[in-house]
Amino acid sequence: EVQLVESGGGLVQPGGSLRLSCAASGFDFSTSWLNWVRQAPGKGLEWVANINEEGSEKYYVDSVKGRFTISRDSAKNSLYLQMNSVRAEDTAVYYCAKGGLGSGFSFAYWGQGNLVTVSS
Amino acid sequence: QSALTQPASVSESPGQSIAISCTGSSSDIGGYDYVSWYQQHPGKAPKLIIYDVTNRPSGVSNRFSGTKSGNTASLTISGLQAEDEADYYCSSYTSGSSPWVFGGGTKLTVL
Repeated sequence: EVQLVESGGGLVQPGGSLRLSCAASGFDFSTSWLNWVRQAPGKGLEWVANINEEGSEKYYVDSVKGRFTISRDSAKNSLYLQMNSVRAEDTAVYYCAKGGLGSGFSFAYWGQGNLVTVSS
Repeated sequence: QSALTQPASVSESPGQSIAISCTGSSSDIGGYDYVSWYQQHPGKAPKLIIYDVTNRPSGVSNRFSGTKSGNTASLTISGLQAEDEADYYCSSYTSGSSPWVFGGGTKLTVL
């Protein structure tokens, strides 16, 4: 059974930093693209970033480029999102997600989500 | 403003059918057969219910179906049940600055 479990969220001040983690199990971690998707309170879903199997390709939504860094550790079966220079508009529930069905261009598996609140 | 346009809310009676539209452009829905739909209950993670326009993951009821015509995709739910009351989001792969875009979500109320 595929499991994705996020951790590391919480309250952070504007301009501060936070690192989210996602522990993965139940699938071959080393052969999977992985994603972060976020949802601001009462709002819709927004794709944030993804990373390829080797960690050599990384893509970001424009609003986080230069501030967030996605990474992975295959030895620990873990995905990370380093969030720097956070802003109020980064307040959201952050989900790690992966594809795996058909073309792979959908999010078949999701973590439970982890709330990040940016506030002074 | 979301890249894909969905109605904010829809409502229908139990046992009836309803269709939720999702309108994009030739850069996303119209250009790729990579439309997906997600169901989200309050406080829960989204759940994939349709992928690659028309396909249902194992375990998803056949009351859910997806179609696409031009730049518009649709999710149809037949035989509405109380448990279908949720938010529904469409998504598409895109050639834009981000590889995926989502719709703003549609709140389904089963009267």
